[in-house]
Amino acid sequence: DVKVTQSSRYLVKRTGEKVFLECVQDMDHENMFWYRQDPGLGLRLIYFSYDVKMKEKGDIPEGYSVSREKKERFSLILESASTNQTSMYLCASSLRTGFGSPLHFGNGTRLTVT
Amino acid sequence: KNQVEQSPQSLIILEGKNCTLQCNYTVSPFSNLRWYKQDTGRGPVSLTIMTFSENTKSNGRYTATLDADTKQSSLHITASQLSDSASYICVVRAGLQAQLWSRKERGSTLGRLYFGRGTQLTVWP
Repeated sequence: DVKVTQSSRYLVKRTGEKVFLECVQDMDHENMFWYRQDPGLGLRLIYFSYDVKMKEKGDIPEGYSVSREKKERFSLILESASTNQTSMYLCASSLRTGFGSPLHFGNGTRLTVT
Repeated sequence: KNQVEQSPQSLIILEGKNCTLQCNYTVSPFSNLRWYKQDTGRGPVSLTIMTFSENTKSNGRYTATLDADTKQSSLHITASQLSDSASYICVVRAGLQAQLWSRKERGSTLGRLYFGRGTQLTVWP
């Protein structure tokens, strides 16, 4: 079974802090994704990566950056946290070439910015 | 505009009863549609995938349907259990032709994903 592990379940940070969210997958998947999930809005794509050191912006990249130095690890960085970044953050991975390949999600990091 | 709409937004049923969740989409071109189940405090997990040529597919007590002509899908849950309480998310994958996003993936044949906002199902004993 694919396992996607997010380093923290809950985080509380102050406005202006730099925040790192870490995600590791153990199935050698090429694609990795960061989503945020807010009530009434569903999942929205922040960034994705299809290979080491490669990244592409999703629908809401403003205020975020990412890093993928190793295939199994994908990090989301909030350069200067703001209260409107309080949310549930979900990491996911998938195979590159399978059109029917599902997303495998971690259990999320609930970030609160005060 | 490519969209995925789910209804109802929330639903409460008694244990043992059946229910049907709806997903309407305007995504074009269409590649496939997937239903995910998200338990509270967990990430979504895939239940089933529907492709253009499939009308009905079952996975235990879950049966998904797809009408590609009307761009509608449903997820029917039979003999509900307390463990069915969750959010159910419909996700549609676009085909390749119109998706700039997919062309950025080297060697990939995947199109962009469009997410519904989910239906929150609560099963009461």
